[in-house]
Amino acid sequence: EAQVTQNPRYLITVTGKKLTVTCSQNMNHEYMSWYRQDPGLGLRQIYYSMNVEVTDKGDVPEGYKVSRKEKRNFPLILESPSPNQTSLYFCASSLGSSGRIGELFFGEGSRLTVL
Amino acid sequence: GNSVTQMEGPVTLSEEAFLTINCTYTATGYPSLFWYVQYPGEGLQLLLKATKADDKGSNKGFEATYRKETTSFHLEKGSVQVSDSAVYFCALRSYNTDKLIFGTGTRLQVFP
Repeated sequence: EAQVTQNPRYLITVTGKKLTVTCSQNMNHEYMSWYRQDPGLGLRQIYYSMNVEVTDKGDVPEGYKVSRKEKRNFPLILESPSPNQTSLYFCASSLGSSGRIGELFFGEGSRLTVL
Repeated sequence: GNSVTQMEGPVTLSEEAFLTINCTYTATGYPSLFWYVQYPGEGLQLLLKATKADDKGSNKGFEATYRKETTSFHLEKGSVQVSDSAVYFCALRSYNTDKLIFGTGTRLQVFP
């Protein structure tokens, strides 16, 4: 089954404790992206990657890191989480070619709470 | 810059009522336009899309027409069902960027 898998789905952590949210897709997609969803703000892009070893900042990259060492994986790293990073996070992927970046496939989301 | 504006929710309707969710956009050139749907506890799913002016996207009884003259892409459905209850996001991708810009979402609640 074609899917984007995120882990963990739920996490409660404390300020400053490094954490990684993993994302994996099995559709051989070139394009991958991370979003955060907050009430009243919709979805905001954190980082995206056009292909392996190519990453770029989105609209709200501060406090986050990403890497794209393999095509299928795109982990989101919070080196020193703070309470303002409490949010619902989504990973998404797309073929990324022929103008199809808009046709995103989303994971089920990871709800992160930073105390 | 590019942006998407959606009507605020929640939109509350009875089953079989007609639905309109308004979406307008600001963009240079000719963007592609999308509607995504998020069911409770799930990620977003692409509902429909339109890539040029006057295109009509349709899926699952939903429709939206790309109106360049009014910079709009309103979502409509003739007869909603309880199972349509979800959050609906309008989005655009500008022709010259790799970014998808989302609106803030509109929650639809359909009651039997």
